[in-house]
Amino acid sequence: QVQLQESGPGLVKPSQTLSLTCTVSGGSITSGDNYWSWIRQPPGEGLEWVGYIYYNGNTFYNPSLSSRLTISVDTSRNQFSLRLTSVTAADTAVYFCARYRDYILFDYWGQGTLVTVSS
Amino acid sequence: IQMTQSPSSLSASVGDRVTITCRASQSIRSSLNWYQQKAGKAPILLIYDASSLQSGIPSRFSGSGSGTGFTLTISSLQPEDFATYFCQQSYSTLLTFGGGTKVEIK
Repeated sequence: QVQLQESGPGLVKPSQTLSLTCTVSGGSITSGDNYWSWIRQPPGEGLEWVGYIYYNGNTFYNPSLSSRLTISVDTSRNQFSLRLTSVTAADTAVYFCARYRDYILFDYWGQGTLVTVSS
Repeated sequence: IQMTQSPSSLSASVGDRVTITCRASQSIRSSLNWYQQKAGKAPILLIYDASSLQSGIPSRFSGSGSGTGFTLTISSLQPEDFATYFCQQSYSTLLTFGGGTKVEIK
């Protein structure tokens, strides 16, 4: 059973950088046709796809965030990470990591971590 | 591709048949998934490719549609089904979700 777990600071100051890591267990991040993804959900709102990465480092980002966003992968640690620069209150959200399988569906999700942008 | 769900919320009783609609701004063929999310939890995949039931999901959930119009049906609503439901298209590389439908107890 694949499991994902997000980790990182829960509070980030405006204009600073939001950094999160997702640790994958129960399976290798290099196996299968899987794209390792970040999705966020502002409090009380819907879901927004942020971006994803393949184990070889290929990425695709939501154009609305691409100028501030970097997603990276560390296959030796079975982890992938998100870095979002110049954050504002609009970036306050629960951030989920998830597996996007076969370019079709999100089948495994982390529990989510709330990141608040505030001074 | 913009995904529009309706209604945004509904009230129903245990045992009711519930239908939720999702419309795409352009044809997405059958590249449509449905998720259930309970408060404070991650979404759970219910239906993929418009009508395929994910393993472990009860058969009272079903999906239909293609092109631009899709439906999620719960044949007999159970207490554990009160939640928010989201559609998501996987046709475009830019993945998008619907705004959600909250199913509440009448």
